[in-house]
Amino acid sequence: SSELTQDPAVSVALGQTVQITCQGDGLRAYYASWYQQKPGQAPILVIYGENNRPSGIPDRFSGSTSRVTASLTITGAQAEDEAYYYCHSRDRRGNHWGLFGGGTKLTVL
Amino acid sequence: QVQLKESGPGLVKPSETLSLTCTVSGAPISNNYWSWIRQPPGQGLEWIGYIYDTEITNYNPSLESRVTISADTSKNQFSLKLTSVTAADTAVYYCAKDYYDSIGYTYFDYWGQGTLVTVSS
Repeated sequence: SSELTQDPAVSVALGQTVQITCQGDGLRAYYASWYQQKPGQAPILVIYGENNRPSGIPDRFSGSTSRVTASLTITGAQAEDEAYYYCHSRDRRGNHWGLFGGGTKLTVL
Repeated sequence: QVQLKESGPGLVKPSETLSLTCTVSGAPISNNYWSWIRQPPGQGLEWIGYIYDTEITNYNPSLESRVTISADTSKNQFSLKLTSVTAADTAVYYCAKDYYDSIGYTYFDYWGQGTLVTVSS
């Protein structure tokens, strides 16, 4: 399959830890990257590679991968983390087509 | 700092061609991957395709028959053409700097602000 699957919605209490997952065969060949998108804004990259954060992304964001599942973990979720999160990888059959998960709506309670 | 900005008509008639341009500053078009990504209203992200080093292109198989991505190094721009559009092509279109390598890294590290294109008569 050349799809990435995410849970549509996840919630977390303020200050608690939440994990958002992404499953897909493409993750056998490529690390997932993760994007945060708030209403009316362009996505921003929050995690890439094994567990890398671009400059300016808080260290409460982390990533991991195991076989065909990638995870984005927010440790100590803040109100401003409420957003949609999308994972990205590529088709592993050599075509290098870009793939996105369907997105997860994170609600911070 | 790399910056991208999309430009083009916000309204396209059905069956016509959607044309957008992305102007890049802070990085050369050459020797980099550049992608177009779209997002229909209320829906998720869809990768459209990329251009690498101004010549190599790769398209989403679901759109390949209608898409052309090209680049102009003299203006440091790359462009998207999507033919025979329908209402289903209504979306916010983003341009982004793309990256992937042989050790498994892939990501879009810089994005434009996006531009809404509506297909309607």
